[in-house]
Amino acid sequence: ETGVTQTPRHLVMGMTNKKSLKCEQHLGHNAMYWYKQSAKKPLELMFVYNFKEQTENNSVPSRFSPECPNSSHLFLHLHTLQPEDSALYLCASSQEMDDQPQHFGDGTRLSIL
Amino acid sequence: QKEVEQNSGPLSVPEGAIASLNCTYSDRGSQSFFWYRQYSGKSPELIMFIYSNGDKEDGRFTAQLNKASQYVSLLIRDSQPSDSATYLCAVSGNTGKLIFGQGTTLQVKP
Repeated sequence: ETGVTQTPRHLVMGMTNKKSLKCEQHLGHNAMYWYKQSAKKPLELMFVYNFKEQTENNSVPSRFSPECPNSSHLFLHLHTLQPEDSALYLCASSQEMDDQPQHFGDGTRLSIL
Repeated sequence: QKEVEQNSGPLSVPEGAIASLNCTYSDRGSQSFFWYRQYSGKSPELIMFIYSNGDKEDGRFTAQLNKASQYVSLLIRDSQPSDSATYLCAVSGNTGKLIFGQGTTLQVKP
């Protein structure tokens, strides 16, 4: 596989469920990102990891918990989500964190019941 | 004031025309500028990036940057119906964080 792969593509969950989103990049990049894209809003940066270390937490509620076991994999653990968390969650990667183009996965469409 | 501003559109142009997409940004220290294309239901796809003042051409696409005016634009020559999408402007400052605009929806009519 090439590029940035996200699973699952679609996820429907109740507010009390716990689930995880997975991202894997095959580009040899060192930085990985989680974004949230809601209708009619700009892409919102959630978390940044550089060489497996978290460098940015953009005031994201604790019901979202990221994990980066290595430079190729990134997870977003979800628990006790709210209806307003329904959105497209995008993973991206870049060679380095500074001013490099970011490449996006296809995203996970999340719906909270 | 929004950090990165784009007119949401839709911008409608006839097939074969030049589409001009504009973006302004507020941080004077911004270093890198990116244009992404996003088809409905798909993820953003990088189409151009520019770091220096002036024009950068790649096929039918030209990115233009004017740091003094804090303005970056994307021109699409010979627009095709397949160019119909939302175009996202993204600006990166010293921290490396990308700040995205809301996007401009382009409609190319046959």
